[in-house]
Amino acid sequence: EAEVAQSPRYKITEKSQAVAFWCDPISGHATLYWYRQILGQGPELLVQFQDESVVDDSQLPKDRFSAERLKGVDSTLKIQPAELGDSAMYLCASSDKLGRGNTGELFFGEGSRLTVL
Amino acid sequence: QKEVEQDPGPLSVPEGAIVSLNCTYSNSAFQYFMWYRQYSRKGPELLMYTYSSGNKEDGRFTAQVDKSSKYISLFIRDSQPSDSATYLCAMSPDTGRRALTFGSGTRLQVQP
Repeated sequence: EAEVAQSPRYKITEKSQAVAFWCDPISGHATLYWYRQILGQGPELLVQFQDESVVDDSQLPKDRFSAERLKGVDSTLKIQPAELGDSAMYLCASSDKLGRGNTGELFFGEGSRLTVL
Repeated sequence: QKEVEQDPGPLSVPEGAIVSLNCTYSNSAFQYFMWYRQYSRKGPELLMYTYSSGNKEDGRFTAQVDKSSKYISLFIRDSQPSDSATYLCAMSPDTGRRALTFGSGTRLQVQP
């Protein structure tokens, strides 16, 4: 079964360090999302890509976060410098194109759990 | 105030009980309503999907949407210990944009 791949699964870093997360969506999925989920809360959208273009990054803290999807396939989310409040699960999801009778379901990866000390 | 409100629980029930999970929302533009299940340390997985108002049943699960009240529900019949997870409601205004707005999740524990 096709899956969304994410790495690393766990990352511990010190405040002010740089950290990067990688996501490989399900093959053929044009739309890719990065969500942040703080413990005990629901996922919150950080950025949405359609192919290689950013559709929505209104909630991305652009002073320290960046995201790219250069060839419209896999994606990287970077944080520099990391802050204590960035400790969370970073979830990547992908979805298929419209027009194929699909429900718009988002398929999530297992997430990358970040702890900032 | 958040666009989607959900009681965080935790909710503890005995095996075999009927479980009712609920969300309210404020954005009348929401058209697509979903329930995701999230096991500990895993990503969410889609459980139920409903468009606009009405009911949808899938095995032991029933999803209800009442757009007039801006209220959605998920019912689980004959709950099992394997149903123990966090249940997230999610919704979006249209599939064109696709990005979902999630509730905070309700943690369910089914006791054997």
